[in-house]
Amino acid sequence: SQQGEEDPQALSIQEGENATMNCSYKTSINNLQWYRQNSGRGLVHLILIRSNEREKHSGRLRVTLDTSKKSSSLLITASRAADTASYFCATDALTDSWGKLQFGAGTQVVVTP
Amino acid sequence: ETGVTQTPRHLVMGMTNKKSLKCEQHLGHNAMYWYKQSAKKPLELMFVYNFKEQTENNSVPSRFSPECPNSSHLFLHLHTLQPEDSALYLCASSQGRRGVPAKNIQYFGAGTRLSVL
Repeated sequence: SQQGEEDPQALSIQEGENATMNCSYKTSINNLQWYRQNSGRGLVHLILIRSNEREKHSGRLRVTLDTSKKSSSLLITASRAADTASYFCATDALTDSWGKLQFGAGTQVVVTP
Repeated sequence: ETGVTQTPRHLVMGMTNKKSLKCEQHLGHNAMYWYKQSAKKPLELMFVYNFKEQTENNSVPSRFSPECPNSSHLFLHLHTLQPEDSALYLCASSQGRRGVPAKNIQYFGAGTRLSVL
């Protein structure tokens, strides 16, 4: 089964609202990343949080990591229509080899004006 | 632009055709990856190349054949594909280090949308 699993699978909000999505994983990790994908395009890296960090901010993004629960959350504040995309968490497991990231199936976010 | 270019963007091929996907990165990275993305499924890592050496082959069928002539270019040669191989194929690169797992941020191309008829 996949290492990272996002929840919810889909999220629909209005502009200005906050969007929160969660990621759970199974094995010990070096770090966890969040990526964004616009429809039919490649993934774009958003933020990386290391296993010894608990919270990180980047602009309107806030990421938390709870290694005891093997979970992470991504919060997008004051969402905009341009935030409409799929969001993926990716984990870098301690035991994995070269550059191997495990991606979840993603959360599809729709922000309506 | 992410610095990773994939061509073609769209490809339609029959089950008996042979085609190749191309990926080029202008970031000075030395690790490159092929992923398959099917609808409603997580990204599947197919191959990893680090310093032109294949370091990961994730049980990919032999009808997919990768080639990495140098650190900037990566190809995926396709032959006798099946309809279930229809997907978005993504290439990525990262700053790997020789002798150390390339646990870095990956930069993705826009992908090749492949349809197998």
